[in-house]
Amino acid sequence: AQTVTQSQPEMSVQEAETVTLSCTYDTSENNYYLFWYKQPPSRQMILVIRQEAYKQQNATENRFSVNFQKAAKSFSLKISDSQLGDTAMYFCAFMKQLGSNTGKLIFGQGTTLQVKP
Amino acid sequence: GAGVSQSPSNKVTEKGKDVELRCDPISGHTALYWYRQSLGQGLEFLIYFQGNSAPDKSGLPSDRFSAERTGGSVSTLTIQRTQQEDSAVYLCASSPTPGGDYGYTFGSGTRLTVV
Repeated sequence: AQTVTQSQPEMSVQEAETVTLSCTYDTSENNYYLFWYKQPPSRQMILVIRQEAYKQQNATENRFSVNFQKAAKSFSLKISDSQLGDTAMYFCAFMKQLGSNTGKLIFGQGTTLQVKP
Repeated sequence: GAGVSQSPSNKVTEKGKDVELRCDPISGHTALYWYRQSLGQGLEFLIYFQGNSAPDKSGLPSDRFSAERTGGSVSTLTIQRTQQEDSAVYLCASSPTPGGDYGYTFGSGTRLTVV
């Protein structure tokens, strides 16, 4: 069974600085997808970034980038130039490859990030 | 619609009553998912619909929980004889691709409180 672990329950960062959120996972699959979702107080989960395991290149989306280490089963999220609007809970999630799955996401426990002015 | 819509936003019910939670996915999205988010258990998968059929309902915690989807669109999650441990936020999500591999769009959830 797949598991996802986020070892940092809470983090804080000063506005405009950079912060990295950690995520490790456990799987015997070779091909899969990894995601970071953001959940602000509005409760709506918002997709931040997606990584395909067969791609070596780390995904980036504007100020958000990942450090994907497949052998180490690590998938950290870096937020550059942090903004107050980045304050939220962040979830790392794993999905098995299409064709062998139903699109079920396995989530970590989440990291609450506070950006301070 | 523009996003995934869930209703009601909040629901307080007495223990033992039945509740229905509704999800309107994004138009044209064939895949629909229900998740439960609670303090103790985090985010748990409940059920997956592809069209009107549910090929994966492995996450439903007991036979008190059921879900259906009609017309390949609206879905209803029903909890019968609610218990206090059912208190949680129930999130619905939809995806244009069958496996959701490009990520889902989530609704804002229904917060269920069983008293």
